[in-house]
Amino acid sequence: GAGVSQSPSNKVTEKGKDVELRCDPISGHTALYWYRQSLGQGLEFLIYFQGNSAPDKSGLPSDRFSAERTGGSVSTLTIQRTQQEDSAVYLCASSRRVNTGELFFGEGSRLTVL
Amino acid sequence: GESVGLHLPTLSVQEGDNSIINCAYSNSASDYFIWYKQESGKGPQFIIDIRSNMDKRQGQRVTVLLNKTVKHLSLQIAATQPGDSAVYFCAEIFTGGGNKLTFGTGTQLKVEL
Repeated sequence: GAGVSQSPSNKVTEKGKDVELRCDPISGHTALYWYRQSLGQGLEFLIYFQGNSAPDKSGLPSDRFSAERTGGSVSTLTIQRTQQEDSAVYLCASSRRVNTGELFFGEGSRLTVL
Repeated sequence: GESVGLHLPTLSVQEGDNSIINCAYSNSASDYFIWYKQESGKGPQFIIDIRSNMDKRQGQRVTVLLNKTVKHLSLQIAATQPGDSAVYFCAEIFTGGGNKLTFGTGTQLKVEL
């Protein structure tokens, strides 16, 4: 079956513009995560959705960042008024059940803010 | 805040040798640990996990060791192959606080022919 799909794979934008990044998780996976990875760095947690529960937004760096998950499937990460420090690879992952560390990652969306 | 860290940023090994990648964690409440492999341009890939009620777990060519006394985690790769070249991340979870994975900074493994 298909893996986690992310789009766009690359996005170049100007400072101050808004961007939307999309994630299609693996069908049937109940949990969905967004992480951010700067060049040569580890993964920084952003947000986590689990079924119908309230999302864990504790990793969102500012109120310019928001995410939605519609119908328990597709998720969109929105960054408003982008800044140069937002440049990174944004990774989405899904998992089939709760309490598992086995996440299935997409290949990421590389965001460059000029 | 508490975090997961790695001792060695880069590890070079000869093909066929065993590799040991180390990780230190500081959150004593963490009770579930995972290793991921990330190849260039790709997302991380799950390798193996271990819960805190175990101190060793084996997979195919990989072994994870957990020492809760000193808050140390290691990944051993037997007979390292060129395809093992990648960045390896450890991650920790405190399952009582949800299922949020906290990742370490990563170790680059380079396999020399």
